[in-house]
Amino acid sequence: NAGVTQTPKFRILKIGQSMTLQCTQDMNHNYMYWYRQDPGMGLKLIYYSVGAGITDKGEVPNGYNVSRSTTEDFPLRLELAAPSQTSVYFCASTNWGDQPQHFGDGTRLSIL
Amino acid sequence: QQPVQSPQAVILREGEDAVINCSSSKALYSVHWYRQKHGEAPVFLMILLKGGEQKGHEKISASFNEKKQQSSLYLTASQLSYSGTYFCGTEPTGANNLFFGTGTRLTVIP
Repeated sequence: NAGVTQTPKFRILKIGQSMTLQCTQDMNHNYMYWYRQDPGMGLKLIYYSVGAGITDKGEVPNGYNVSRSTTEDFPLRLELAAPSQTSVYFCASTNWGDQPQHFGDGTRLSIL
Repeated sequence: QQPVQSPQAVILREGEDAVINCSSSKALYSVHWYRQKHGEAPVFLMILLKGGEQKGHEKISASFNEKKQQSSLYLTASQLSYSGTYFCGTEPTGANNLFFGTGTRLTVIP
């Protein structure tokens, strides 16, 4: 049982490049989330999904896009990368109610 | 919508107690508590649901005052392994997501 798996673990991008951060969970969770965490700060919600085909914006969605075609996968797309998007990105999943969020190990992204 | 945590940082000697507070301006359905070690993902500690139930997990417990929209995390007889940053995540009533505080950095020294 792998839980929440994120790839890649590290990535360096040049300004203006695009990339997709992958997130897969094997717990059959309906709810999935993307957060970013800047140094010394808390988690900011980028996008979330309550089920396949359903996504919604969080607190900081600008510059990102998501899709949810299956229950397992919730990729995050960065278009036209900017230095302000340098951060650690965490994906999480849950079945909500009184259940905890399970986090992946994170993707450390630097944009130079 | 981001909850306010206090204190921002605290240093304890092994065996000492600490309290971390979390306050929201919104009506809450639940409060989650997580601990994050440096360079790692947040790890779940406990959830408190509307109803004010106090929960415990070994020597770590928490309370939730739904009338004041406040939660407190209690760490007793601290151990070196308790070091890390503690985050509260608040779920406003009717929401499908959490809002996380900026964290409390706890350092336990011998």
